[in-house]
Amino acid sequence: AQSVAQPEDQVNVAEGNPLTVKCTYSVSGNPYLFWYVQYPNRGLQFLLKYITGDNLVKGSYGFEAEFNKSQTSFHLKKPSALVSDSALYFCAVRDPSGGYQKVTFGTGTKLQVIP
Amino acid sequence: KAGVTQTPRYLIKTRGQQVTLSCSPISGHRSVSWYQQTPGQGLQFLFEYFSETQRNKGNFPGRFSGRQFSNSRSEMNVSTLELGDSALYLCASRVVGGAGDTQYFGPGTRLTVL
Repeated sequence: AQSVAQPEDQVNVAEGNPLTVKCTYSVSGNPYLFWYVQYPNRGLQFLLKYITGDNLVKGSYGFEAEFNKSQTSFHLKKPSALVSDSALYFCAVRDPSGGYQKVTFGTGTKLQVIP
Repeated sequence: KAGVTQTPRYLIKTRGQQVTLSCSPISGHRSVSWYQQTPGQGLQFLFEYFSETQRNKGNFPGRFSGRQFSNSRSEMNVSTLELGDSALYLCASRVVGGAGDTQYFGPGTRLTVL
């Protein structure tokens, strides 16, 4: 069975500092990994995904994530945090064995960027 | 291109009633998935529909059901509502090109059961 862990319920970072939101996964075979962001009272917004290829994936709004197979991690990063980045972030994994495998989401990490 | 739309955005029901939620996917997207989001349980997968057929199902009781129409629009129904069904219900659509497809989410329907 596939699973995703986001070990931090909340991450606080000062505006202008780099930010990292952690994600580890468990899936048989090579995973498909996704990051989404959710603002209050809104749906989830796609940020980026890793399917294959370069381990460093660049996405929307200056975010990037690094796929690390040996550590089964897919941490989300941004070099310089903005107050507007404050939101709830979800990591997700999909088993690539095909068909209609469901996407499993982590529990979410609340990012607070302090002015 | 218009995004995923969900109606209604807010609903208040009482225990024992039933409710139907609607989702219109992005044009060209043929799969619709439904999720329940609660503070305690996070995002839980309900089911996915493609070509009017349910393709995958999460661990929810039979009170939760869905369907998809020939134009890919989908509805979700919850019968005999319970207090614990209060949640944000999200639908997501994708193209169905492969397991690496990106899902795009609608704004959700906030259901409150009194």
